[in-house]
Amino acid sequence: DADVTQTPRNRITKTGKRIMLECSQTKGHDRMYWYRQDPGLGLRLIYYSFDVKDINKGEISDGYSVSRQAQAKFSLSLESAIPNQTALYFCATSDPGVDEQYFGPGTRLTVT
Amino acid sequence: GESVGLHLPTLSVQEGDNSIINCAYSNSASDYFIWYKQESGKGPQFIIDIRSNMDKRQGQRVTVLLNKTVKHLSLQIAATQPGDSAVYFCAENNGGSNYKLTFGKGTLLTVNP
Repeated sequence: DADVTQTPRNRITKTGKRIMLECSQTKGHDRMYWYRQDPGLGLRLIYYSFDVKDINKGEISDGYSVSRQAQAKFSLSLESAIPNQTALYFCATSDPGVDEQYFGPGTRLTVT
Repeated sequence: GESVGLHLPTLSVQEGDNSIINCAYSNSASDYFIWYKQESGKGPQFIIDIRSNMDKRQGQRVTVLLNKTVKHLSLQIAATQPGDSAVYFCAENNGGSNYKLTFGKGTLLTVNP
């Protein structure tokens, strides 16, 4: 079984809809991250969480919110989706004191 | 803000040749660097890392070189195979204690049989 899983893997939604992307991990890591990937722009950090009670904004948090339901679960929500949020979204995890991050398989989101 | 960038967006090599993927970084405070490989439809996978107190680190068929003087990082892949075809990203930690990574835009490596 994969250490970091994301659901759904693909999603098409309409402008204005609320959507939630979910991430679960079995690595036992405290730290979790949400990134967005667009062609030619690389990975950009949306939000990160260093433990269940710690939530921090990344460089592009506008239009997004997150929830850290448990050590193993970190969800990303788009309250009112817009077309320029069409992208690949990746969840990642890491251990405290270790820089290496482990990525999930990604969610391809299309907002029409 | 400071950022990580790549010299070449695409690289095409013949199977069996060695590949070199380059990365420039601008944050002199960065003390840790990672190379990731991303295959089509998958998330980035860790390849190799290096700390700023090292100039070179070798893995299986891969070598990372760090030149702090010119803020340059490279990934060398020996005897490149078709399975090496992917996008390769470098990332830096910006020298902070918060363990956030800044990623480069990526280089697409294509291996021709």
